[in-house]
Amino acid sequence: EVQLVESGGGLVQPGGSLRLSCAASGFTFPTFWMHWVRQAPGKGLVWVSRINTDGISTTYADPVKGRFTVSRDNARNTVYLHMNSLRAEDTAVYYCVRDPGCSETSCADYWGQGTLVTVSS
Amino acid sequence: DIQMTQSPSFVSASVGDRVIITCRASQVISNWLAWYQQKPGKAPRLLIYAASILQSGVPSRFSGSGSGTDFTLTISSLQPEDFAIYYCQQANSFSWTFGQGTKVEIK
Repeated sequence: EVQLVESGGGLVQPGGSLRLSCAASGFTFPTFWMHWVRQAPGKGLVWVSRINTDGISTTYADPVKGRFTVSRDNARNTVYLHMNSLRAEDTAVYYCVRDPGCSETSCADYWGQGTLVTVSS
Repeated sequence: DIQMTQSPSFVSASVGDRVIITCRASQVISNWLAWYQQKPGKAPRLLIYAASILQSGVPSRFSGSGSGTDFTLTISSLQPEDFAIYYCQQANSFSWTFGQGTKVEIK
């Protein structure tokens, strides 16, 4: 069974840092691209970042570029999101998602349960 | 950046109704479009990918169509478990963009 389990969320002050982790199981992790998607309370889905299979290629949404870094450890079946210089507007549930390629397009076929990040003083 | 606009933002419908949700991209995205369903407090669920391919395990009352800039999600006969928020998502560029969501509520 495919599972994605996020951890690392919590309350952090503006300007602070957090590292989110997503532990994957039930599939061959090194062969899948992975993404992070966030959702502010009561709001819609917003894509944050993606990382390719070997971790060499990464892409970020403009609001987090230069502050967030995505990485992965294929030996540990884990993807990370390092978040620096956090702002109130980064408050959201952060989801880790798997991208299977979706018939040569791109989509999220499995989602974690999400981890809540709250940025507040 | 590619923008995705869903309409309507809100649908009030009854069990058994046919519901159509549309999604328009700000530029051509071929068939690089997916649809998701989200229920309160839960992670989204993939329904449709590549504009028209039904994800495994999704009931056949859901269908998707379109190409280029205009896409639709159709629920042929609304069931009680279908009341949720639906999002479209484009993946034509290196980044993803989601629509703002369409809430389907019970009439």
